[in-house]
Amino acid sequence: AQTVTQSQPEMSVQEAETVTLSCTYDTSESDYYLFWYKQPPSRQMILVIRQEAYKQQNATENRFSVNFQKAAKSFSLKISDSQLGDAAMYFCAYRSRWTGANNLFFGTGTRLTVIP
Amino acid sequence: KAGVTQTPRYLIKTRGQQVTLSCSPISGHRSVSWYQQTPGQGLQFLFEYFSETQRNKGNFPGRFSGRQFSNSRSEMNVSTLELGDSALYLCASSLRPGATQETQYFGPGTRLLVL
Repeated sequence: AQTVTQSQPEMSVQEAETVTLSCTYDTSESDYYLFWYKQPPSRQMILVIRQEAYKQQNATENRFSVNFQKAAKSFSLKISDSQLGDAAMYFCAYRSRWTGANNLFFGTGTRLTVIP
Repeated sequence: KAGVTQTPRYLIKTRGQQVTLSCSPISGHRSVSWYQQTPGQGLQFLFEYFSETQRNKGNFPGRFSGRQFSNSRSEMNVSTLELGDSALYLCASSLRPGATQETQYFGPGTRLLVL
């Protein structure tokens, strides 16, 4: 079974600074998708960024980028120029590509605090 | 385009009762997945529906069930509620399951409190 581990329960960053959230996963599959979701106090899960395992290039979305290390099974999220609105729970998630199923396996989350 | 909607947003029930939660996906989306979020267990997959058929099910007891209608709206039902069923129930929709570039979009959730 796939497992996703987020070893940092809480992180904090000064406004305008950069922070990196860590995620590791365990799978025997060779092809899959990885995601970072953000859950603000409103509790709505919002997709931040996705990565296809077959792509070597790291995904980037504006201030958000990932460092995908397939051999190490590591998928970290870097947030640049942090803003107050980035404060939220961040979840790393895994989805198989080949099963045809949509279910996501989530990590336990990292609570990010942005200090003004 | 309207997002995923879930009703009700908040619910209080007592042990032994049953509850039905509703999810309306984004227009054009035909796949609906349900997740349970609790402080102790985190986010766990419940089940997934596509074209009115359950395609996948997580490791939950039979008290948890669901269905999907022809308009892709989905309901989940929990019978004989237990205190441990108190959770945020999240619904996510997507065009179809497992497709390349497929993304799940989540609703705001239903917060269930069992007393």
